[in-house]
Amino acid sequence: QSALTQPPSASGSPGQSVTIPCTGTSSDVGYYNFVSWYQQRPGKAPKLIIYEVTKRPSGVPDRFSGSKSGNTASLTVSGLQADDEADYYCSSYAGGDMSCVFGTGTTVTVL
Amino acid sequence: QVQLVESGGTVVRPGGSLRLSCAASGFTFKVFGMHWVRQAPGKGLEWVAAVSYDGSTKSYVDSVKGRFTISRDNSKNTLSLQMNSLKPEDTAVYYCANNGLGYSNEYWGQGTLVTVSS
Repeated sequence: QSALTQPPSASGSPGQSVTIPCTGTSSDVGYYNFVSWYQQRPGKAPKLIIYEVTKRPSGVPDRFSGSKSGNTASLTVSGLQADDEADYYCSSYAGGDMSCVFGTGTTVTVL
Repeated sequence: QVQLVESGGTVVRPGGSLRLSCAASGFTFKVFGMHWVRQAPGKGLEWVAAVSYDGSTKSYVDSVKGRFTISRDNSKNTLSLQMNSLKPEDTAVYYCANNGLGYSNEYWGQGTLVTVSS
């Protein structure tokens, strides 16, 4: 049950893209296609933006996209906007009875 | 609309007990598994516990096993977390969330703050 590894910070200028990696193990990210991504603004609850590696809930802009290769999942935010400044967390199903694990979190700054 | 409302957070002394509740509305509570997720001040999210839709299956993060108990009452659309033998490191905002597609958490409450301090 070790946390998934994310870089503490990422940044980009408006209009650019930023990609956030999320590294787990062959027991979680590498084994299951059940990776989710959340956006969290200060003082607010997390908001789901990607589920099952690549799928977007209704209402989430297609500027947000997910992918996975081996034990590493990634979130890409394209066409960065000031409103995208937030903390981003990945999460993966970890097997067993509904157990899950979150990433360490990445703060995205729009320069 | 979907609402998850947590309650029960307060200041408690180390070794003490506390029971958190989460009232659900706006969706069919009884068909969803549910989770508790916590966030220590200035820190990241940590999955704490989960319970299946019917309460028959429960799982916990290692750090709370034997101390916390998750439960649900589908007749009252309520999720609970009984926390015993609390430690300072349990200080956090506790969120309840549903178990959605692909074990994602689509619905979240606003969180309730638990502070363990003498």
